[in-house]
Parts: sequence; structure tokens; C-alpha cells
Amino acid sequence: NAGVTQTPKFQVLKTGQSMTLQCAQDMNHNSMYWYRQDPGMGLRLIYYSASEGTTDKGEVPDGYNVSRLKKQNFLLGLESAAPSQTSVYFCASSHPTGANQETQYFGPGTRLLVL
Amino acid sequence: RKEVEQDPGPFNVPEGATVAFNCTYSNSASQSFFWYRQDCRKEPKLLMSVYSSGNEDGRFTAQLNRASQYISLLIRDSKLSDSATYLCVVRLLNDYKLSFGAGTTVTVRA
Repeated sequence: NAGVTQTPKFQVLKTGQSMTLQCAQDMNHNSMYWYRQDPGMGLRLIYYSASEGTTDKGEVPDGYNVSRLKKQNFLLGLESAAPSQTSVYFCASSHPTGANQETQYFGPGTRLLVL
Repeated sequence: RKEVEQDPGPFNVPEGATVAFNCTYSNSASQSFFWYRQDCRKEPKLLMSVYSSGNEDGRFTAQLNRASQYISLLIRDSKLSDSATYLCVVRLLNDYKLSFGAGTTVTVRA
């Protein structure tokens, strides 16, 4: 049981390049999330997926797109990378519980540098 | 105004000491509260949920004050392994979104 995995772990891009960050979970969770974490700021939600085939914008969606074609995978795309997208990206998953205290499980993160 | 605000610290304490810190939240409709722990260059992990009546988990005690809109975390008998950044997390009722504070850094020295 690997939990939440992310690839790649590190990536350097030039401005304007595109790439896809991959996230997979083996816990059969319905919900998946993409966050970015910048120094001095809390994690900020980029996109959210409540179930396979559905996605919603979070707090900072501009410049990103997502895909949830399979329940276990959630992909984050950068169509034209900008230096402002230099950050650490975390994927997370969760399963709703009746107590409304659901835990989000995070992947190890992807460190992205855009030059 | 940020939804969740924390003192960034760092709190530098000797082993065995007690350390406590708060976070404040701005939305009075917030319903669920958590403390997550994040080690350097690692992912956040749930430390504990915070219940209205307060709760303990070993050396960790969390309290919620709805009237003043803050939650607290107290660590007793600090260990070197407690060195980490502690993230305060808040969620509105029936909302999927979590709001994260920027974290409070604790360093326990030998």
C-alpha cells in the first residue's frame, strides 16, 4: 500500500514549456486535490476532484489544468510554465466520513523550478 | 486578511520543555479543525483533529476556543523528534476545502 505517489520528484522547466505532474493513490479514495506551497504561505488549493470525471477550481487555478479520467489518478498540467509557478506541488486524497473529520493524505511533493 | 493565521516562530525549546502556540481563524462558520505536522522538505501529515471539548493524544493537547476563534497546540516533554512545522487547518461545514495556515516552526534542542 503505497498511499499517494507523485512523479516527478523534481523538475526544471524553461518559461513557456509545458508539463504534466502525475498523482496516483491506491486507497480507493473518491476525492483528490492539488495544492501548491510557497514560502511563508499556507498550502493553496489549485484544483479539486470529488470523483472520477469531475473537477473543480480551487483558490489559485489560473495557468493550470487537470484531468481525472481514472479514480486512482489525478493529473495537473502546466500549459505554458511561468516563473511564478515555481513552487512545491502536493497531491492529496481523502474519503468522506460521516463525522466530517476526513483526513487528507498527501503525496511526497514535486519541486518545480521555472527559469 | 488570511483565513488562518499562525505565528511562524521559530520556537526554540530544550528537550523536556513544554511549548504551546495558537492559530486564529477568520471565518466564524468554520466547523472542523486540525493540526498537521510537516517535516522539512516532506509532505504534511495529520497530527490530530481538534474537538470542541479539547483533546489529548499522548504528549499533545489541542484546544478550541470558538468565541475567540483560535485553536491551540501544546506539546509536553518535548522530544528532538518533535522538531517540525505545525500547520493549523480549518474547514467550513460540509465544504471540501481546507484552509491552511503558513505553519509554526518548532525546534527542540538537546
